[in-house]
Amino acid sequence: GAGVSQSPRYKVAKRGQDVALRCDPISGHVSLFWYQQALGQGPEFLTYFQNEAQLDKSGLPSDRFFAERPEGSVSTLKIQRTQQEDSAVYLCASSGELGSPYNEQFFGPGTRLTVL
Amino acid sequence: QKEVEQDPGPLSVPEGAIVSLNCTYSNSAFQYFMWYRQYSRKGPELLMYTYSSGNKEDGRFTAQVDKSSKYISLFIRDSQPSDSATYLCAMSAGNAGNMLTFGGGTRLMVKP
Repeated sequence: GAGVSQSPRYKVAKRGQDVALRCDPISGHVSLFWYQQALGQGPEFLTYFQNEAQLDKSGLPSDRFFAERPEGSVSTLKIQRTQQEDSAVYLCASSGELGSPYNEQFFGPGTRLTVL
Repeated sequence: QKEVEQDPGPLSVPEGAIVSLNCTYSNSAFQYFMWYRQYSRKGPELLMYTYSSGNKEDGRFTAQVDKSSKYISLFIRDSQPSDSATYLCAMSAGNAGNMLTFGGGTRLMVKP
């Protein structure tokens, strides 16, 4: 079956532009996470959705970052007025059943954002 | 200081060697401990997870967790060139809805 997909895979933006990054999770997965991975670093948590509800956005670095998942499936991460420090790979992950002892997070390939 | 510390490497070993990767952490709430492998320009993929302290073996891979020392390890036996990747440790405090806290990753190169 299909895994997590993300688009675009690469995005180059001029400083100050707005960007939108899309994540298609594994069908039926309840939970969706966004992470930011700077070059040579591990991923860092941005935000978490359970179905359409955004339950944790504590990792969003500024109010320029906004995420939504309006129908509980596809999610979009939007970055307004991009800055050079926003350059990173943005990873999306989804996981399945609530209530089981462990829920593996399946990661997409990421969107590499470069802000010039 | 980061919650999860991991030596960035790179670690270069000959094919067939035993590889030891490790992480230390500071948050006592972590209960689930995972190792992910990430190839260049790909997303992380789960290798192993362990709940609480103990050992877990899967083929050539063995994961160890020592909660008393806040130290986790991944051992790779009979390493292969295809094992060349970045290895990320990750931890969480619970199950669904709990975000992962990652180490910075160790880059491993296995030379034929």
